[in-house]
Amino acid sequence: EAGVAQSPRYKIIEKRQSVAFWCNPISGHATLYWYQQILGQGPKLLIQFQNNGVVDDSQLPKDRFSAERLKGVDSTLKIQPAKLEDSAVYLCASSLGSEVAGELFFGEGSRLTVL
Amino acid sequence: GENVEQHPSTLSVQEGDSAVIKCTYSDSASNYFPWYKQELGKGPQLIIDIRSNVGEKKDQRIAVTLNKTAKHFSLHITETQPEDSAVYFCAASIYNQGGKLIFGQGTELSVKP
Repeated sequence: EAGVAQSPRYKIIEKRQSVAFWCNPISGHATLYWYQQILGQGPKLLIQFQNNGVVDDSQLPKDRFSAERLKGVDSTLKIQPAKLEDSAVYLCASSLGSEVAGELFFGEGSRLTVL
Repeated sequence: GENVEQHPSTLSVQEGDSAVIKCTYSDSASNYFPWYKQELGKGPQLIIDIRSNVGEKKDQRIAVTLNKTAKHFSLHITETQPEDSAVYFCAASIYNQGGKLIFGQGTELSVKP
């Protein structure tokens, strides 16, 4: 079974530029998450989708971050304009459903460096 | 909201020794506590989890204990091996509100051969 796919793996941009990350979850997984992991810290949830609807985006900096999950499958996370403090690994995860807690399957992440 | 504190931040043990990582949580409504292992350049991977109706759970060399009264839970790894070297994260959530995990800061475990 294929895992969660993310691209690009690495991205370096200047501050105030924009960047987009893509995620393809495990087939059949209804719930998709984007987490931000700053170096030396645990992952922090940015947004959670159930199919193509948003369940939780309370920690998403909406003035610069946006995310969508069209057709309830793959998802994109965009940052515009980027700030230095956005340097982090952006992890996408998926799970079967969101009614009850269960195993999250993570991708390998997209590492963003903002100069 | 929920806050999860994890200690120690780094842990070095000799191969064959035991390792213990401890976490505390703040929200008494939390009732699901998974542990994830993250190897370099990879995403976190679930290794064991426990729900609050259980005090202890074991899976081969790893075990998790939960003290709901004190709001803390621990990961125990016995007979450590070099391949156990990784960063370990504890997390907490409310089971029937699914999905949203609050992670601790992580523990970098190094097992020396």
